[in-house]
Amino acid sequence: EVQVVESGGGLVQPGGSLRLSCAASGFTFSSYGMSWVRQAPGKGLQWVSAVSGSGSNTYHADSVKGRFTISRDNSKNTVYLQMNSLRAEDTAIYYCAKAGGAYGDFWYFDLWGRGTLVTVSS
Amino acid sequence: EIVLTQSPATLSLSPGERATLSCRASQSVSSYLVWYQQKPGQAPRLLIYDAFNRATGIPARFSGSGSGTDFTLTISSLEPEDFAVYYCQHRSSWPLAFGGGTKVEIK
Repeated sequence: EVQVVESGGGLVQPGGSLRLSCAASGFTFSSYGMSWVRQAPGKGLQWVSAVSGSGSNTYHADSVKGRFTISRDNSKNTVYLQMNSLRAEDTAIYYCAKAGGAYGDFWYFDLWGRGTLVTVSS
Repeated sequence: EIVLTQSPATLSLSPGERATLSCRASQSVSSYLVWYQQKPGQAPRLLIYDAFNRATGIPARFSGSGSGTDFTLTISSLEPEDFAVYYCQHRSSWPLAFGGGTKVEIK
């Protein structure tokens, strides 16, 4: 089955760290870029980070630059989001999403996970 | 940084009616404009990519048009399952961005 499944969310104090994981199956993982998109409670979608299929290129939104790091392990078909210096405004459902085309800049998302909730609160 | 503005924020229509949703970019995104549908408690679903290409399995009642800065998603005849929130997204340059969404609700 073609799917991506997120894990690693939870409650963390402001200033803390968390690492999200996204396990992929059913497609040639290393051929596709992957991304994280978040949605604060009751709000719209916000793009967070993206990584190319090889892992050599990464991109981050300004709001998380310097605090979040996206990476991938193609041997494990998994993409990660390391989140440091967390703030209350980082509270959201974090979705993992697969890029729509292989071997290129096809940065639209045709496969989404169910998301994992990150709550930053003391 | 490109900003996407969607209008209206809410569209109140009846089943069978035509829905027209707008997405305007703060600068040209060429044809690199994408549309998603999101229902409560669910992940977004890809509808249209690169302005007018329907994603796999998307019914023909959904169509996209536009280029440059002005784009439209049209639902020709609303089905009960189409009442949802719709987002546009550009992939023209970094950072990627989504619009604020349009909620299509039952009148």
